[in-house]
Amino acid sequence: DGGITQSPKYLFRKEGQNVTLSCEQNLNHDAMYWYRQDPGQGLRLIYYSQIVNDFQKGDIAEGYSVSREKKESFPLTVTSAQKNPTAFYLCASSTRGSYNEQFFGPGTRLTVL
Amino acid sequence: RKEVEQDPGPFNVPEGATVAFNCTYSNSASQSFFWYRQDCRKEPKLLMSVYSSGNEDGRFTAQLNRASQYISLLIRDSKLSDSATYLCVVNLGNYGQNFVFGPGTRLSVLP
Repeated sequence: DGGITQSPKYLFRKEGQNVTLSCEQNLNHDAMYWYRQDPGQGLRLIYYSQIVNDFQKGDIAEGYSVSREKKESFPLTVTSAQKNPTAFYLCASSTRGSYNEQFFGPGTRLTVL
Repeated sequence: RKEVEQDPGPFNVPEGATVAFNCTYSNSASQSFFWYRQDCRKEPKLLMSVYSSGNEDGRFTAQLNRASQYISLLIRDSKLSDSATYLCVVNLGNYGQNFVFGPGTRLSVLP
């Protein structure tokens, strides 16, 4: 089945630790995205990538880093510099073009202990 | 002014009711428009794209008014399973990476 997978589903982190969230897609999409969602809030864009080896900061990139070494993969690292990392993290992908919708993975729920 | 605004909600309606959601966007250069639904603690899922001529999918009807920069979603004969948060999404173009999400409107359909 084609789709987007994210792992792990739940992640617990101690303060001061870096953690990496996985996102893989087999939809052959060029563009991939990371969003953060806080309880009762909308989605906020962290990073996006239109093509392999290229990515751009979104609205709330501070304290996060990404890489795009393969078309299928767009991992997100939450660093210790992110002051309030507890949130629901969603990865999405889309084809390039102004009229194409995004498809989302199931999300990773990160809790800092 | 926020780029995408939606009815604040929540909407609590009885089964079988018709409910309408409204969304406004601020950027007149917006290219495409979508409604997503998000169940509690789940990922958003595409409900329908919104076209200039309006489109319908079963009990769901979406309308776009570019002149007023306004999008609507109508749900007829609402079901318990329609309970979710409905997200209005606008694509600003620029090679398709510039998606802007509204805050969502929560719907509870009551028995």
